[in-house]
Amino acid sequence: QQPVQSPQAVILREGEDAVINCSSSKALYSVHWYRQKHGEAPVFLMILLKGGEQKGHEKISASFNEKKQQSSLYLTASQLSYSGTYFCGTGGSGNTGKLIFGQGTTLQVKP
Amino acid sequence: ETGVTQTPRHLVMGMTNKKSLKCEQHLGHNAMYWYKQSAKKPLELMFVYSLEERVENNSVPSRFSPECPNSSHLFLHLHTLQPEDSALYLCASSLSTHSGNTIYFGEGSWLTVV
Repeated sequence: QQPVQSPQAVILREGEDAVINCSSSKALYSVHWYRQKHGEAPVFLMILLKGGEQKGHEKISASFNEKKQQSSLYLTASQLSYSGTYFCGTGGSGNTGKLIFGQGTTLQVKP
Repeated sequence: ETGVTQTPRHLVMGMTNKKSLKCEQHLGHNAMYWYKQSAKKPLELMFVYSLEERVENNSVPSRFSPECPNSSHLFLHLHTLQPEDSALYLCASSLSTHSGNTIYFGEGSWLTVV
């Protein structure tokens, strides 16, 4: 079942923060976050695994709450280059390779 | 550059044509995927291959026919497509099909069916 992302769209000024949420109705083993710019391939940001963890690089971090079956992506001090559509992909346990993606959150950072 | 290369990048085909999309990965991965991305829709998984064997076929119409001759190459053969099949087709690969592995996407092939 497709995870639900919120919000659907967000507009920020440079330097502002944003949070994108991803919720699933199924038990999760992994949550993958990607950013896609128009006309380009989705670019991998990070993966979080069962066990409840938080990861980050530069000013982008994420958390995974497996009990709530939720993940959140945190973008701090946003830059113009952060603009794009953010997708979460959720994976169950096992070896099925079936990563199901949310509908995406469009982020626009303005000067 | 993700290590996954797709050709052609753009393709326009008539409904009676037969064409193929090609994908090659240089990452030494054992799993390869085809995803479809339509406007304002989430990424839809079409096919999954593990060590050249198809392990997932997500109720995709038979006018789409995948082929995986080896673990580095993946094709999507197209025939008698419909205009609603126009979309971005993304190839991806990962070390294995385990959901803990990162999936790397190619640049995609933009398909327009006229």
